[in-house]
Amino acid sequence: GNSVTQMEGPVTLSEEAFLTINCTYTATGYPSLFWYVQYPGEGLQLLLKATKADDKGSNKGFEATYRKETTSFHLEKGSVQVSDSAVYFCALTMIKAAGNKLTFGGGTRVLVKP
Amino acid sequence: NAGVTQTPKFQVLKTGQSMTLQCAQDMNHEYMSWYRQDPGMGLRLIHYSVGAGITDQGEVPNGYNVSRSTTEDFPLRLLSAAPSQTSVYFCASTRQGLAFFGQGTRLTVV
Repeated sequence: GNSVTQMEGPVTLSEEAFLTINCTYTATGYPSLFWYVQYPGEGLQLLLKATKADDKGSNKGFEATYRKETTSFHLEKGSVQVSDSAVYFCALTMIKAAGNKLTFGGGTRVLVKP
Repeated sequence: NAGVTQTPKFQVLKTGQSMTLQCAQDMNHEYMSWYRQDPGMGLRLIHYSVGAGITDQGEVPNGYNVSRSTTEDFPLRLLSAAPSQTSVYFCASTRQGLAFFGQGTRLTVV
């Protein structure tokens, strides 16, 4: 079956530091890849996505590139802010499969200190 | 523009009690799902639906029932609550692979 592995947290950073969260996946076929973010007390929100190899998703200063050769989709941000403190989830789905079921990684909690 | 609405936001149940978590979406999406979120385990799929009248099991379906009588609503029923069902539950509505989540229901079973 499909699976997603992401680095365990928590990750604690100072404001303006560089953030990387590693994500690798196992899937049969060609999945679409996502990063979702969960702010305290809220549901998950889509942060960015990529639907095919070498696609780069970007949003709010975050970027991730779909690397088929290494089955990875690492999340990066060059200069984090306190407001980026949240839990980040890497996920995949098979677009053409019924239900568009998402397979999630375990989540990485990020804490940015002023 | 409500998106996905879940109720209640918090609930405490005694072991053996039953309850229904409500989920409604106003985006006319065919696909809806229920996930549970547990520390360190990400979100795990409980049940999902590909349209009105059609449901199927996910990764962790035991102890839960669902039905989908309309496109808009997808309630999740706990038949006889157990402490292992203490979790945060999220409903999602999906179109073309993009999922929209509700605010979550934090359920504690004592």
